[in-house]
Amino acid sequence: DAGVIQSPRHEVTEMGQEVTLRCKPISGHNSLFWYRQTMMRGLELLIYFNNNVPIDDSGMPEDRFSAKMPNASFSTLKIQPSEPRDSAVYFCASSWAGKETQYFGPGTRLLVL
Amino acid sequence: QKEVEQDPGPLSVPEGAIVSLNCTYSNSAFQYFMWYRQYSRKGPELLMYTYSSGNKEDGRFTAQVDKSSKYISLFIRDSQPSDSATYLCAMKASNTGKLIFGQGTTLQVKP
Repeated sequence: DAGVIQSPRHEVTEMGQEVTLRCKPISGHNSLFWYRQTMMRGLELLIYFNNNVPIDDSGMPEDRFSAKMPNASFSTLKIQPSEPRDSAVYFCASSWAGKETQYFGPGTRLLVL
Repeated sequence: QKEVEQDPGPLSVPEGAIVSLNCTYSNSAFQYFMWYRQYSRKGPELLMYTYSSGNKEDGRFTAQVDKSSKYISLFIRDSQPSDSATYLCAMKASNTGKLIFGQGTTLQVKP
């Protein structure tokens, strides 16, 4: 099993640029979660999908953030325009809907200068 | 007030010590309780999972849930340097897929 795959692993960009983070969940999982982790705020849920449909996006900080899941094997998290305060590690996780165990990817380290 | 409170530490113990990690929570709807371990620059991985109240043991690890006190614990016996990591508690209610995480406690086990 390849596990949850995220790309890129590291991203350095300048303020105002668009950033796109990508996630491939574990095959067969039908729930997908996007998290952000910072020292100050810890691990926060941004949005999650069941069967490709967004269920709860209350954690998305503002309109600059958007997430899509066009099919069961791919999701993107986009930040446009990016700001220095968006610097964090972004994790994607997947699970079976209704099951509590979430499997995390290795994360994308984002630095916005 | 945060829904889940966890002392960030850091906690430093000698090898072989018994470690106790704790979280408190405020939402009485939480039914599922988990402990994740996160090594430096890695994603969290599930360590222990408990439904409702009670104890669960897995090798050197024991998870306890006291719903009446809204308090959960993770005990590590005979701690090893390889246990050095950040431990995050997480919990959820039954009607949502949303996990709420604690801040995480950083543990260092010294040889």
